[in-house]
This record gives sequence, structure tokens and C-alpha cells, in this order.
Amino acid sequence: DIQMTQSPSTLSASVGDRVTITCRASQSISSWLAWFQQKPGKAPKLLIYKASSLESGVPSRFSGSGSGTEFTLIISSLQPDDFATYYCQHYSGYSRAFGQGTKVEIK
Amino acid sequence: EVQLVESGGDLVQPGGSLRLSCAVSGFTFSNYCMSWVRQAPGKGLEWVAYIRPDGSDKYYVDSVKGRFAISRDNPKNSLYLQMNSLRAEDTAVYYCARDWGGAAAGKNFDYWGRGTLVTVSS
Repeated sequence: DIQMTQSPSTLSASVGDRVTITCRASQSISSWLAWFQQKPGKAPKLLIYKASSLESGVPSRFSGSGSGTEFTLIISSLQPDDFATYYCQHYSGYSRAFGQGTKVEIK
Repeated sequence: EVQLVESGGDLVQPGGSLRLSCAVSGFTFSNYCMSWVRQAPGKGLEWVAYIRPDGSDKYYVDSVKGRFAISRDNPKNSLYLQMNSLRAEDTAVYYCARDWGGAAAGKNFDYWGRGTLVTVSS
């Protein structure tokens, strides 16, 4: 089974900061990677799919990159609404696996 | 408007059974794979089960194989999760999510329900 590892687990940042979250796959997954944002008590929200495609309605300050085993989510200028937990997720065929999450906190 | 509404969550004793339902509207249900994803209190997301559009293939995370069964009723636009032999570690919010809809879209989990809470405790 493919394992997904995110880093860091927690990140403290200020409004306006550039934030980078990394996700590593245990084997190559091509570009079959998504990123989700989740706020407390809410369902996850799809931000990025196919590693770098921005989901409709998601602000352009969010971007994704990478392929193979190394992937990155970048928030170019952190906004108050962006404080949340972020998950990467591999999907291919019937294989589905989430990373453990990265909590973005207010510094 | 796409909507997914889960129901059926409850407090159940260890070893008990529960059936979750997910009522879907706003898209052609029979064109999409569907999944159940769970989240234990204070923990991360865990994919649980997946079913193809016609119900022909079903896949499960190892921890629920042989205990959980995913199914769907396309004419009723409904997804189900039958959970048997429940354990304390199955306690979680269970979400249904729209899964793969084809290579043209190239994405999964673009719509989620609000979740239903399953608590396994004596």
C-alpha cells in the first residue's frame, strides 16, 4: 500500500506569510495527488487535484506542484481564512491514502 | 446544487451493527464512484471504502475488511455502509464523498456530506 507523509505536522505563521507544505509518497504516484483544507467541525474542501490543478472557486494564492514522490502545497500570502488543517491525498485506481495532516496555526 | 446527506450514525455497543446512508442529489449519481471516509475524534482523515458506479467492484481499507460492506442503489441516488462487529476504534465521523467521475475531470472527493457520528462504546 502507498503511504503518504506530510511535513511539517504543525506550522505557525502570520497573515501575509508564504507557507509551504510538503507531501511525500512511499512510491511514485505520477501526478495523482490532491490537497484538501479542513476547518474544525467541517467537511474537507478540495483545493488542488492532479498535483497542480486548482479546483473551481479556490483562490489563486493556493498552488500545488510536484510529481512522482514529492509534492508541495504553497499558500502565497496567508489570509485569516486559511488557518486550518491541510491534507494531501493520493488517488489512483481504487487506491486512496491521506497524509496525516498539517495544522496551520496563528503565530 | 450538489448535496450529500449522511444519516444513521448512533451510539452502539462493541460488537454491534449499524447501517449508514448517504442521500445524493444535484448530479448523475450513476456516473460516479463513491467513497466513505472517516475521521476519529481529534485525528486525521481515513479512507474507508469505495464503490464503482455500477457497484461491480468494491474496495476497503484493511482494518474494516470482512466487517464493513459498501453498497449503492442508483435509482434511489443512495449510498450505504453496513458496519458489523463494530469496535471502539471505529468511533468516528463518517463522511460520504463523491469519488472518481472519469479521466476528463481527473479528480476525486470534490463533494462531501457533513458527516454522521458513529460512537462505539459500552
